[in-house]
Amino acid sequence: AQSVTQLDSQVPVFEEAPVELRCNYSSSVSVYLFWYVQYPNQGLQLLLKYLSGSTLVKGINGFEAEFNKSQTSFHLRKPSVHISDTAEYFCAVSEDAGNKLTFGGGTRVLVKP
Amino acid sequence: DADVTQTPRNRITKTGKRIMLECSQTKGHDRMYWYRQDPGLGLRLIYYSFDVKDINKGEISDGYSVSRQAQAKFSLSLESAIPNQTALYFCATSDSGTGAYEQYFGPGTRLTVT
Repeated sequence: AQSVTQLDSQVPVFEEAPVELRCNYSSSVSVYLFWYVQYPNQGLQLLLKYLSGSTLVKGINGFEAEFNKSQTSFHLRKPSVHISDTAEYFCAVSEDAGNKLTFGGGTRVLVKP
Repeated sequence: DADVTQTPRNRITKTGKRIMLECSQTKGHDRMYWYRQDPGLGLRLIYYSFDVKDINKGEISDGYSVSRQAQAKFSLSLESAIPNQTALYFCATSDSGTGAYEQYFGPGTRLTVT
């Protein structure tokens, strides 16, 4: 069975500083990887996804993530955060092209002025 | 207008009561999902449906049932609510035809069972 671990439950960061959110997964087969963001009192929306090809994936709002198969990781980064990036971020994995997602526990990012 | 809507948005109910959460979508997607979100646990899949005649159990289906009344409607029922079903519930949809693999989420229903 697949599983996803997000190593940090909360990440405080100052505005305009870089941020990295860590995600590790376990699976016995090839996987598809996703990062979703949940703004306060809203549903989730897709930030970016890795299906195949280049291991560096660029998403919306200046976020990017790198797939590392040997380390079974898919860490999310942004070089300079804004107050509006305050949200909860979820890493998710699927073994069947996104039909059934397994989510990590989430990382709350609090951007401070 | 929102593409994926959920009703009610908030609900407080008592232990033992039957409750239904409803989800409607105008995206024309064939696949629909129900998740629950608990702090620190992320989202966990309860049930999913790939079309009107296809219903599948997810990771945590015990205590829940679903109905796919039409392609656009997918309801989640708690037959006899218990306090540990207090959570934030999300409906999601996806389109099998695009190959995009993205799921689109509703705004959520916050359910409290007392």
